[in-house]
Amino acid sequence: EAQVTQNPRYLITVTGKKLTVTCSQNMNHEYMSWYRQDPGLGLRQIYYSMNVEVTDKGDVPEGYKVSRKEKRNFPLILESPSPNQTSLYFCASSARQGSGYTFGSGTRLTVV
Amino acid sequence: AQKVTQAQTEISVVEKEDVTLDCVYETRDTTYYLFWYKQPPSGELVFLIRRNSFDEQNEISGRYSWNFQKSTSSFNFTITASQVVDSAVYFCALSDAGGTSYGKLTFGQGTILTVHP
Repeated sequence: EAQVTQNPRYLITVTGKKLTVTCSQNMNHEYMSWYRQDPGLGLRQIYYSMNVEVTDKGDVPEGYKVSRKEKRNFPLILESPSPNQTSLYFCASSARQGSGYTFGSGTRLTVV
Repeated sequence: AQKVTQAQTEISVVEKEDVTLDCVYETRDTTYYLFWYKQPPSGELVFLIRRNSFDEQNEISGRYSWNFQKSTSSFNFTITASQVVDSAVYFCALSDAGGTSYGKLTFGQGTILTVHP
């Protein structure tokens, strides 16, 4: 089954404790992206990747890092999480520009 | 810069009513794509439709229909004979076809639709 898999689905952590949210897709898609969803703001792009070793900032990259060492994986790293990063996070992949994204199931992160 | 506006924050209807969700977009690109996604209470994002900027034909899929009007930069979504299972947050999104944004989806704020029995 074609899918984007994110883990974990839920995470509660404390301020400053490094964490990684994993994302993997099995569709051989070139484009991958991370979004965060906050009430009243819709979804905003954090980082995106056009292919292996090619990544760039989205609209809200502060406090996040990503890497794309393999085509299928695109982890999101929070080196020092803060409470304002409490949000619902989505990973997504796309075969090409404009083709639409397949989204993962989301990761609900709470930073206390 | 691209922008998507969903002016209706929340809509409440009674089952079997028709409901239209509005979406207005801004872009300087001549080629772009428009999308609608549904987010049910379980939280996942479900793709509903993609429309490219050269195709202004309206589309109908069962109880769902979409009205794309380039002249007014709108891409509205109508649910006919709404059902309780239609209760969800609906997002309109815009993506360019090239340039430097590499297919980034710009989302509207979302419309919360509640369908009462």
